[in-house]
Amino acid sequence: GDQVEQSPSALSLHEGTGSALRCNFTTTMRAVQWFQQNSRGSLINLFYLASGTKENGRLKSTFNSKESYSTLHIRDAQLEDSGTYFCAAEEGYNVLYFGSGTKLTVEP
Amino acid sequence: EAAVTQSPRNKVAVTGGKVTLSCNQTNNHNNMYWYRQDTGHGLRLIHYSYGAGSTEKGDIPDGYKASRPSQENFSLILELATPSQTSVYFCASGAWGAQNTLYFGAGTRLSVL
Repeated sequence: GDQVEQSPSALSLHEGTGSALRCNFTTTMRAVQWFQQNSRGSLINLFYLASGTKENGRLKSTFNSKESYSTLHIRDAQLEDSGTYFCAAEEGYNVLYFGSGTKLTVEP
Repeated sequence: EAAVTQSPRNKVAVTGGKVTLSCNQTNNHNNMYWYRQDTGHGLRLIHYSYGAGSTEKGDIPDGYKASRPSQENFSLILELATPSQTSVYFCASGAWGAQNTLYFGAGTRLSVL
């Protein structure tokens, strides 16, 4: 739906560099999840956040429910990080609204 | 490891025909979902379920029915398929309540000719 605005729609990085993806929410969300869709089309859950910041390897995600946004930071990008990244947010319980995705291309 | 299995993986159907997409999960999750993915739209929620016997409408339910006969199985039914329903369909499962991390199946690519 229109509840989640994700940016940028596409991003190109050189190996070893980093950047941030962002999702803005038009209403108060209870929690956010981030997914990576790989070249085979599989959707892999990266993070679940009800608040604050989580880090996993070269990925870090923050959710600020009060200011209605979430970010996903990628550092030291590798070729295998290429894919499409989606945020998804829960307004109530158990129903997620997805952003339109960020297509990330990591180049040598 | 969570397991969500969709079948078939690929399907070609004719306009006006009936199509059933199946999803099975072995996670013992209460919630199951059907999404479709189209270029430029991300994933859009079609139907979801809170448990056996329950189905709820998502954002784009028109032209689709859902069935949840058991905890493990959730089907998406296109009674009269149309070319506009050509898409990739994803099933997901999630636990009820606060930590509703979703686990997705591999997707079904449907072409309606």
